[in-house]
Parts: sequence; C-alpha cells; structure tokens
Amino acid sequence: AQSVTQLDSHVSVSEGTPVLLRCNYSSSYSPSLFWYVQHPNKGLQLLLKYTSAATLVKGINGFEAEFKKSETSFHLTKPSAHMSDAAEYFCVVKTSYDKVIFGPGTSLSVIP
Amino acid sequence: NAGVTQTPKFQVLKTGQSMTLQCAQDMNHEYMSWYRQDPGMGLRLIHYSVGAGITDQGEVPNGYNVSRSTTEDFPLRLLSAAPSQTSVYFCASTLGVGFNEKLFFGSGTQLSVL
Repeated sequence: AQSVTQLDSHVSVSEGTPVLLRCNYSSSYSPSLFWYVQHPNKGLQLLLKYTSAATLVKGINGFEAEFKKSETSFHLTKPSAHMSDAAEYFCVVKTSYDKVIFGPGTSLSVIP
Repeated sequence: NAGVTQTPKFQVLKTGQSMTLQCAQDMNHEYMSWYRQDPGMGLRLIHYSVGAGITDQGEVPNGYNVSRSTTEDFPLRLLSAAPSQTSVYFCASTLGVGFNEKLFFGSGTQLSVL
C-alpha cells in the first residue's frame, strides 16, 4: 500500500531564510514523486518531479528536492524564502495512472 | 490555450439536489480525473478516465457519477447531494497514462451542501 506523510502541517519562516518541507512516503513499487503548490483560491501547479533519474531534482522558483531511497524521503527545500512562496504544498506519490496519493499538505507562511 | 476549465467556481446546494460540475480540457489529453480536497486530507481521487468511453472509480466514488463521451469533456454528477460532499473539487488531466506524467489542474469548484 502507498502512503504519504508530510511531517509538518504548518511551517513559518522569515523572508530570506531557508525553507524545508518534509515528506516521507511508503510504496511497494518504485514511485514517481511530485511536489505541487497551491496558492490561495488557485488550482495546483507542479513544482518538480522525481522519476528515477537524478536524485536531486530542481524545480521552478528556486525549489529543489532530494530523493533518498534509504530514508524513503523527498524533502523540499529552498535557500531563501520569498513572500510569494506563501502557499500550501503537497507531496504526491504515483505508481500508476490510478494510484495517485496526495499528502495532507503543508501550509507555508513567510514573515516579512 | 485555456488548459483545464472548470465551471462553476462556486455552488450552493440543498441536501438532495443534483448538479453537474463541468470540466473541459483543450490539450487533447487522454487521461482526466476528479479530486476532492478536504482540510488536512490532501486531494482524494473520485473518478478517472483513460479515454473517451472509459471511466473507473477512484478512492472515494460513492455519491458521484461520471461519463466521458468526448476527449475534451469529463463532467462530474452529484445525484443527491449530501452535506458530506461539501468540498473543493478539482479536475485534472495528463497527456498520457504513464505514471510520471504531471497533472494539469483546473482552478477548482467550491461546493457547499446545506
């Protein structure tokens, strides 16, 4: 069975400081892993995806994520937070077109 | 290029009423799906389709029907609305059915059932 755990329901950082959003997953198969972002009252937008190529994945807006198989983790990072990064972030595990599991989400606040 | 278009953006229903949420995509995507988003639960798959004339159930299908008569359209029907169906609904599509395909999302429909 697949599952996704996002370890923090809410993260608050100051503008210009690093961001770390944590994601752990469980899957019987080698999954594809995604991070999506949802700004208030908007649909979801893809930040980045891992598909068994490089373990360090670069995404849009300066975000990165590192796949660590031994830790079953796919944490999202950004060196310096911007006010526009305030949003809800979802970690997603996918093993087929009908097996798509979303994490519960992490709400990121950025303090000026 | 409009992408994935959902209508309406907001809807209020009374218990027992029926309605259809519309979803259309203009990218010639094979795969379309419906999700509901509830606080603290992420998104959960309701129904999906891998092509015209083909639909299947996701994780939470009860109380919802779908059909796919064309590649472009994938409406979601609530037959008899219940308060438990109060949620935000998202339609999504992918070009193919490979498991590393990214999802393109509509902007959502906020539904309240009184």
